[in-house]
Amino acid sequence: KQEVTQIPAALSVPEGENLVLNCSFTDSAIYNLQWFRQDPGKGLTSLLLIQSSQREQTSGRLNASLDKSSGRSTLYIAASQPGDSATYLCAADSWGKFQFGAGTQVVVTP
Amino acid sequence: DVKVTQSSRYLVKRTGEKVFLECVQDMDHENMFWYRQDPGLGLRLIYFSYDVKMKEKGDIPEGYSVSREKKERFSLILESASTNQTSMYLCASSGRSSEMNNEQFFGPGTRLTVL
Repeated sequence: KQEVTQIPAALSVPEGENLVLNCSFTDSAIYNLQWFRQDPGKGLTSLLLIQSSQREQTSGRLNASLDKSSGRSTLYIAASQPGDSATYLCAADSWGKFQFGAGTQVVVTP
Repeated sequence: DVKVTQSSRYLVKRTGEKVFLECVQDMDHENMFWYRQDPGLGLRLIYFSYDVKMKEKGDIPEGYSVSREKKERFSLILESASTNQTSMYLCASSGRSSEMNNEQFFGPGTRLTVL
């Protein structure tokens, strides 16, 4: 069974610093790896999806990389802002079922 | 703009009541999912459906059932609500599993409290 781990569980950085969020998965037979953002009490918002054949995907200040052989994905957020404070989750799509990590709670202080 | 909507944002029910949570998507997606999210336990899959009238159990199906009579609508049913079913319920949808760009989209969630 696919297991997805996110370390660290929580992270606090000053505004302007770059954020690095890690996601690891045990089974490399995935279709896609998707990153989400969740604000308190809300649903999940899709940030980036990396297909299994891709190495990275970019959207604005966000860049996500994927290394299937080592079972890792990393989300980089450049020049963090207080509005980036949220919980970030990754999910591995294995045969149409998505296995989620527990998330990394990020606080960006002004 | 893609959309997944859920019938209620907040719901309060009594123990033993039958509860219906409705989810509708407008993206013509084949797959639909119901999760619950609890502090410290993360997202857990209750049921998913890959086609109309088709369903599969997820990791925690006990105490729940589902219905998918139309492609755009997926309902979660708590036959007899219990206090341990107090949780945030999240609905999601995605395209066909074999598609390369199979992105999952979520609704806003329903916070259910069972008294």
